[in-house]
Amino acid sequence: EVQLVESGGGLVQPGRSLKLSCAASGFTFSNYGMHWIRQAPTKGLEWVASISPSGGSTYYRDSVKGRFTISRDNAKSTLYLQMDSLRSEDTATYYCATDGSSGDYWGQGVMVTVSS
Amino acid sequence: DVVLTQTPVSLLISLGGQASISCRSSQSLVHSNGNTYLHWYLQKPGQSPQLLIYQVSNRFSGIPDRFSGSGSGTDFTLKISRVEPEDLGVYYCLQRTHNPRTFGGGTKLELK
Repeated sequence: EVQLVESGGGLVQPGRSLKLSCAASGFTFSNYGMHWIRQAPTKGLEWVASISPSGGSTYYRDSVKGRFTISRDNAKSTLYLQMDSLRSEDTATYYCATDGSSGDYWGQGVMVTVSS
Repeated sequence: DVVLTQTPVSLLISLGGQASISCRSSQSLVHSNGNTYLHWYLQKPGQSPQLLIYQVSNRFSGIPDRFSGSGSGTDFTLKISRVEPEDLGVYYCLQRTHNPRTFGGGTKLELK
């Protein structure tokens, strides 16, 4: 059974940093691209960042470029999102998800609140 | 970025009834490889989104045949027949043909 478990969320002040993790199991992690997708309170879904299976290619939405870094450790089957210079508009539930043209899986999400 | 417009924003349906949700794209979702990467998700209250339909009309593993997807180019439809209580929540379409991938604004399915 595919499982994705996010962790590392919490309350952080504007301008500070936070690092999210997503532990994967139940599939060969190193074969799949991965994504971070977020959802602000009572809002819709927004893609944040993606990484290729090897980690050699990464992609970001414009609003997080230069502030967020997606990475992965295939030996640990873990995906990361380093978030720096956080802003109030980054407040959201962050989901990790597998990439797949024929289907995907999502974690349960982790809440990040940016507030003073 | 590709804009996906979902209608209606909310839908009141009786149990056992049929629901239809539209997703219109600002540009064609046909990839250069000939595939159309338009997916549908359901987000139940308090849960993460779950995939229902991929590539327009293919049901994901474990999804009942009450759910069906259709469409082409820029116009797509999700139909839910014989609505059951577990079908309630917010439905989203997603396109992954163009970068960045984008989601529709969502359609909330509620009981009449």
